[in-house]
Amino acid sequence: EADIYQTPRYLVIGTGKKITLECSQTMGHDKMYWYQQDPGMELHLIHYSYGVNSTEKGDLSSESTVSRIRTEHFPLTLESARPSHTSQYLCASSVQNTGELFFGEGSRLTVL
Amino acid sequence: AQSVTQPDIHITVSEGASLELRCNYSYGATPYLFWYVQSPGQGLQLLLKYFSGDTLVQGIKGFEAEFKRSQSSFNLRKPSVHWSDAAEYFCAVGSNFGNEKLTFGTGTRLTIIP
Repeated sequence: EADIYQTPRYLVIGTGKKITLECSQTMGHDKMYWYQQDPGMELHLIHYSYGVNSTEKGDLSSESTVSRIRTEHFPLTLESARPSHTSQYLCASSVQNTGELFFGEGSRLTVL
Repeated sequence: AQSVTQPDIHITVSEGASLELRCNYSYGATPYLFWYVQSPGQGLQLLLKYFSGDTLVQGIKGFEAEFKRSQSSFNLRKPSVHWSDAAEYFCAVGSNFGNEKLTFGTGTRLTIIP
């Protein structure tokens, strides 16, 4: 059983609000990721981190930002949410060189 | 650039019947291939992976997949499905060993009927 947690699970907010999606893992993994998932679409990598103070943008351009101050914590922030940000956001972590990602249960964001 | 195609959006099978979910990939070198399963309201869980060696790989929950380089395929199979197998299945490809920046397919939704 993977120990990676995302909060909130569901969030409905108005346009222009700042939001932070939390992601924490207790497995000591160095690598962490944020994927965006829309119905019927593939998962798109939007951010990743290979360790503390390391953050990179993924393949899909995103207006969100991330930080990695602690190994176990990888929050995602939207400074000003818009309806186009409505989606499910999945956080994941991985053990070095195994290829296996451990996913959280996701945060479903709806922006009105 | 690597890519994954899952041609079947939705598949329905009877409980106890066999299952095959299709996955085709595009990648210039030796791919690293994965199948993940997502139950409703849950995150993704790894079913199995192929890095090298035996082209038939066994996974959890009785699933297996076969890597066919000539067909650029990595189809997932199960000889007898259970109602609990109803979920979304994602095929993914990675570009090199240790690079967990995976490219996912669009997924196949599996429905099980009694």
